Amino acid sequence: EDQVTQSPEALRLQEGESSSLNCSYTVSGLRGLFWYRQDPGKGPEFLFTLYSAGEEKEKERLKATLTKKESFLHITAPKPEDSATYLCAVQAMDSNYQLIWGAGTKLIIKP
Amino acid sequence: KAGVTQTPRYLIKTRGQQVTLSCSPISGHRSVSWYQQTPGQGLQFLFEYFSETQRNKGNFPGRFSGRQFSNSRSEMNVSTLELGDSALYLCASSWGAGGPTEAFFGQGTRLTVV
Repeated sequence: EDQVTQSPEALRLQEGESSSLNCSYTVSGLRGLFWYRQDPGKGPEFLFTLYSAGEEKEKERLKATLTKKESFLHITAPKPEDSATYLCAVQAMDSNYQLIWGAGTKLIIKP
Repeated sequence: KAGVTQTPRYLIKTRGQQVTLSCSPISGHRSVSWYQQTPGQGLQFLFEYFSETQRNKGNFPGRFSGRQFSNSRSEMNVSTLELGDSALYLCASSWGAGGPTEAFFGQGTRLTVV
């Protein structure tokens, strides 16, 4: 069964303290892995798509990487405005394009 | 380019009533998915429509239904509302075919059932 697990559930960091969020997945064949950011009461905002192991994408203080079993979202020198819930989703080759979502990691950056 | 538009943004309904939510996808997108999100919970998948056909379905009761029109706009209907249906309802649009397809979300409709 296709599955996505995100860890940790919540992460509190001081401003400027770099860290990583994890998204591990089990699918028969990966079509794509997606990262989103969600602020309270709003729809998720698309961040990155990763297609194959070894791929990396960057945007400002965020960098996403992908292996055959997991993806990491690295946050470098975060600011309070980076506080949000980060969601990971995968699309399997045999899934009829359905997305399988992780439960998310709630990130809190303290000034 | 216009994003995904959901209407209305807020709704208050009484138990037993029914409600219809609307979603206008990004121009050219043929897939529309609907999700329910309750406080502290992840995204719960309701269903997905692609080219006017329901392509995928989640584990929700039959009170939840949807449809998609020829212009890709979609509606979701909930009949016989229950207090537990209070949630943020999100719709997402994507190309829906031809490779990994990123989904883009609307701002959601906040439904409160009293």
